[in-house]
Amino acid sequence: NAGVTQTPKFRVLKTGQSMTLLCAQDMNHEYMYWYRQDPGMGLRLIHYSVGEGTTAKGEVPDGYNVSRLKKQNFLLGLESAAPSQTSVYFCASRLLSNQPQHFGDGTRLSIL
Amino acid sequence: EDQVTQSPEALRLQEGESSSLNCSYTVSGLRGLFWYRQDPGKGPEFLFTLYSAGEEKEKERLKATLTKKESFLHITAPKPEDSATYLCAVQVMRGSYIPTFGRGTSLIVHP
Repeated sequence: NAGVTQTPKFRVLKTGQSMTLLCAQDMNHEYMYWYRQDPGMGLRLIHYSVGEGTTAKGEVPDGYNVSRLKKQNFLLGLESAAPSQTSVYFCASRLLSNQPQHFGDGTRLSIL
Repeated sequence: EDQVTQSPEALRLQEGESSSLNCSYTVSGLRGLFWYRQDPGKGPEFLFTLYSAGEEKEKERLKATLTKKESFLHITAPKPEDSATYLCAVQVMRGSYIPTFGRGTSLIVHP
């Protein structure tokens, strides 16, 4: 079982560049989430989706966009990267809202 | 506002020295409480789900318990491989799809 797969694992960007992070899950989960994790800040929710074609804002959505065109994929986009977006990004999914989340191993993003 | 507080922030133990991690919460209507383990460079890995006060779950040296206000993760005779950050998250009942996470406890077990 692949579970939750995030690509790429590492990336270095220059300020102003754009990129897309991909999250894929093979568990037929309805709910998918994007978090960022910074030292001392814990996990902070960026955006989430409760099903194919739906997205919603989380705690820190500014500067990010998301899309869920297929149930198994959840894409996170940075249109114009800023140094403040340097972080580790985690994707998670779960079948129902009273069940635990399954996490990917993260994307480490540095913006210079 | 739903809040989850984990304590201590960091804990250093000697191998074999048992201890407990705390996760206290103030939420309206708990639907589930989740414990995760996170190793450096990895995503959180699910450990336990607790749904109601009085419930207990065990796995190897770990035991999770739940009351109406807090959960404990008891670690019995820890080994160095138990070193990790332990995260707690709660899910409330009122139509929310978003779990609330604590900031975690960083555990280091010295041999």
